[in-house]
Amino acid sequence: DAGVIQSPRHEVTEMGQEVTLRCKPISGHDYLFWYRQTMMRGLELLIYFNNNVPIDDSGMPEDRFSAKMPNASFSTLKIQPSEPRDSAVYFCASSQAGGEETQYFGPGTRLLVL
Amino acid sequence: DAKTTQPPSMDCAEGRAANLPCNHSTISGNEYVYWYRQIHSQGPQYIIHGLKNNETNEMASLIITEDRKSSTLILPHATLRDTAVYYCIVRERETGANNLFFGTGTRLTVIP
Repeated sequence: DAGVIQSPRHEVTEMGQEVTLRCKPISGHDYLFWYRQTMMRGLELLIYFNNNVPIDDSGMPEDRFSAKMPNASFSTLKIQPSEPRDSAVYFCASSQAGGEETQYFGPGTRLLVL
Repeated sequence: DAKTTQPPSMDCAEGRAANLPCNHSTISGNEYVYWYRQIHSQGPQYIIHGLKNNETNEMASLIITEDRKSSTLILPHATLRDTAVYYCIVRERETGANNLFFGTGTRLTVIP
């Protein structure tokens, strides 16, 4: 298995632009998670899905952030409009219910908003 | 709020055992102890988890005290590639309770 796949790996954009981050979870995994990591706040959970349904989005910072999971093999995290304080590394992770339930992380998308 | 306390940093000589402590004095009966690590610029990587018995896998050993208020992750023969931030996490292992709170972790530096 290729593991969790994220794209793009790096994104540089200007303030006010829309940013879309993409994630392909491991095949057969029921859960998908979006995390954000910054020096100041560390690694924090933004939202997670179970069977494509959002379960907990309490970590989403504000309405500028939205996440979707249209099918079991694809999810997006969108920021519109982006701001410099959104600069961070965004990780996607997936896990399988009923098994060890360990989360497997993707390589991350490093976002820089100028 | 963090449920675990870890030292911010540790050093270990290459080839020696690395023992990383974690305090979780408020752990409840249905909470597991998980360990992840994050090598620079990579996503976190699962290492091991346990409830109350000691556990061992190909990467590490996990020793949990009898009262479950603390644990130690042991890397038996540390290599330079084990240099990373190690996170100790306690969480319930049940469907719908999948939140992982990573805290600040321990930065382990393996020295040649």
